[in-house]
Amino acid sequence: GAVVSQHPSWVICKSGTSVKIECRSLDFQATTMFWYRQFPKQSLMLMATSNEGSKATYEQGVEKDKFLINHASLTLSTLTVTSAHPEDSSFYICSATRGSLRNEQFFGPGTRLTVL
Amino acid sequence: AQKITQTQPGMFVQEKEAVTLDCTYDTSDPSYGLFWYKQPSSGEMIFLIYQGSYDQQNATEGRYSLNFQKARKSANLVISASQLGDSAMYFCAMREYNNAGNMLTFGGGTRLMVKP
Repeated sequence: GAVVSQHPSWVICKSGTSVKIECRSLDFQATTMFWYRQFPKQSLMLMATSNEGSKATYEQGVEKDKFLINHASLTLSTLTVTSAHPEDSSFYICSATRGSLRNEQFFGPGTRLTVL
Repeated sequence: AQKITQTQPGMFVQEKEAVTLDCTYDTSDPSYGLFWYKQPSSGEMIFLIYQGSYDQQNATEGRYSLNFQKARKSANLVISASQLGDSAMYFCAMREYNNAGNMLTFGGGTRLMVKP
């Protein structure tokens, strides 16, 4: 149990276009979903936290107008990178918690975004 | 100040030997949890083991055990009988239950390479 999927697994796009990444909890209802960014050979950096039906909470330095997060249901959150630029190229990983006692985060497989 | 510190950027271990990956943390929250994740080259974050701050015993999960020294604020991961498939990045993470809600803070990671 506790499977999280992401789609697409990789995407290449032209500079200036927008890219939407989906994160789904497949077999549980996620009380909270998280979006991380990971640059090569670096750790995961939290971008934002989202709860179903409410606005996402963004970490300092993350542009909310550039990285739009929509948490439409208890099993789906989307991250849209608007007007993507080459510096947005990164590995984006989502995770979800299901409200258990220790509230561990279950991670999706990640999406590799390359902006040309 | 860094909340989670992993001082070993890279480590080698001979197959079938045990290896310890270091993790120290900094928090004033009396209620926290410590997590270890494995990230193979595919990018997926795989949960390995969890230790709660109030747990009396060190956590164990198969070949993984956590050497939890609360007074020293360390939570080292011990992998026994290393296998070639253990080669990956390993991340230590902390959740502060009172101070930070569901948020996980990650260390910089340790790349483990298992030699045949």
